[in-house]
Amino acid sequence: DAGITQSPRHKVTETGTPVTLRCHQTENHRYMYWYRQDPGHGLRLIHYSYGVKDTDKGEVSDGYSVSRSKTEDFLLTLESATSSQTSVYFCAIAGVADSPLHFGNGTRLTVT
Amino acid sequence: QKEVEQNSGPLSVPEGAIASLNCTYSDRGSQSFFWYRQYSGKSPELIMFIYSNGDKEDGRFTAQLNKASQYVSLLIRDSQPSDSATYLCAVRGVMDSSYKLIFGSGTRLLVRP
Repeated sequence: DAGITQSPRHKVTETGTPVTLRCHQTENHRYMYWYRQDPGHGLRLIHYSYGVKDTDKGEVSDGYSVSRSKTEDFLLTLESATSSQTSVYFCAIAGVADSPLHFGNGTRLTVT
Repeated sequence: QKEVEQNSGPLSVPEGAIASLNCTYSDRGSQSFFWYRQYSGKSPELIMFIYSNGDKEDGRFTAQLNKASQYVSLLIRDSQPSDSATYLCAVRGVMDSSYKLIFGSGTRLLVRP
């Protein structure tokens, strides 16, 4: 999967708890993305990064924050998890702005 | 109106037939277009991308782009049961000068043996 590792692969957490998902890449790619995938909605962009410390919001960013302190790591944080954030989360990377995205294996998050 | 629209399917075709998957998009300024395949429980994998009007062929796959009509399609020739998956269309918009990739909801393809 193009040198992308997401962790954890599965997580169950309770409503109101903070959760951090990690995406680690070994490709030295500049662009990194977090998507969530839900039935009937396809892949929706949460946040993305176009360089270290450079991030921007996607279409469903409410309730999520991100950080990128190193090229290889992009963290997604749910400050206070809600049941509506139960989803499969995918990280993706791209080398240049207009190139295809390559996806990690995903993290299945369940908020009870 | 959704930015990228696909028929959810399922599209059912017999083995050996041509499967035709379609996608329309709303941002007339979009410049790049991608097709991904996603097996159940797996991550999306890139099949093809196309930037220019016309056809682009890669093995059994052909991507077709018509910017005037704002649609992109994927043809799969000699369909195999292993092609059964969800196919995601993605469009890179340029409305706000970003390079975000917007996905459709996907079309589920079923190839019958």
